[in-house]
Amino acid sequence: RKEVEQDPGPFNVPEGATVAFNCTYSNSASQSFFWYRQDCRKEPKLLMSVYSSGNEDGRFTAQLNRASQYISLLIRDSKLSDSATYLCVVNWQGAQKLVFGQGTRLTINP
Amino acid sequence: DAGVTQSPTHLIKTRGQHVTLRCSPISGHKSVSWYQQVLGQGPQFIFQYYEKEERGRGNFPDRFSARQFPNYSSELNVNALLLGDSALYLCASNSRGGIYEQFFGPGTRLTVL
Repeated sequence: RKEVEQDPGPFNVPEGATVAFNCTYSNSASQSFFWYRQDCRKEPKLLMSVYSSGNEDGRFTAQLNRASQYISLLIRDSKLSDSATYLCVVNWQGAQKLVFGQGTRLTINP
Repeated sequence: DAGVTQSPTHLIKTRGQHVTLRCSPISGHKSVSWYQQVLGQGPQFIFQYYEKEERGRGNFPDRFSARQFPNYSSELNVNALLLGDSALYLCASNSRGGIYEQFFGPGTRLTVL
């Protein structure tokens, strides 16, 4: 089983749609979780940190289910500028490292 | 405030050569981590340094080494380059160490011919 696994994508959705990404992780001791976005040929940029059961930031909502070892990201009212690759990231307890999923590519169509 | 900076931005080497990549963290950040990202994959953890000490190491061969300097900048060294080392090398910093959010530099794109 991969350490962090994301929906393979790609996702192609119309502008204004709601889109959800899923992510599972294998280290049950993990304590902190993040979503990053990465534009083509650019560095990853922090989108949201998820420290408790979830949090919301404008059009973006992240949810965490520790029992199922599952994280999700919901984007509402999607914009053209949301087109990017979304990376699910999990801290690896005991190893002092962040583990990235393979990323899910999202394209918002006009 | 300046973000994480990395140099060079692009690099072309041939197999068997050695390369040194450099990173300067955000001012006040004492932790630097290095990642390798090959096309189509998420970044893979290579090293983390905090307060000039190695705090974590990923599953990379001994050809990869790193160090952190008193001013918290860092170098990643790769010896005996292989074609498979071609990737985007990302440096990230934070103020508290590895398990918290990290802020990435623009990366160094290494091509090995």
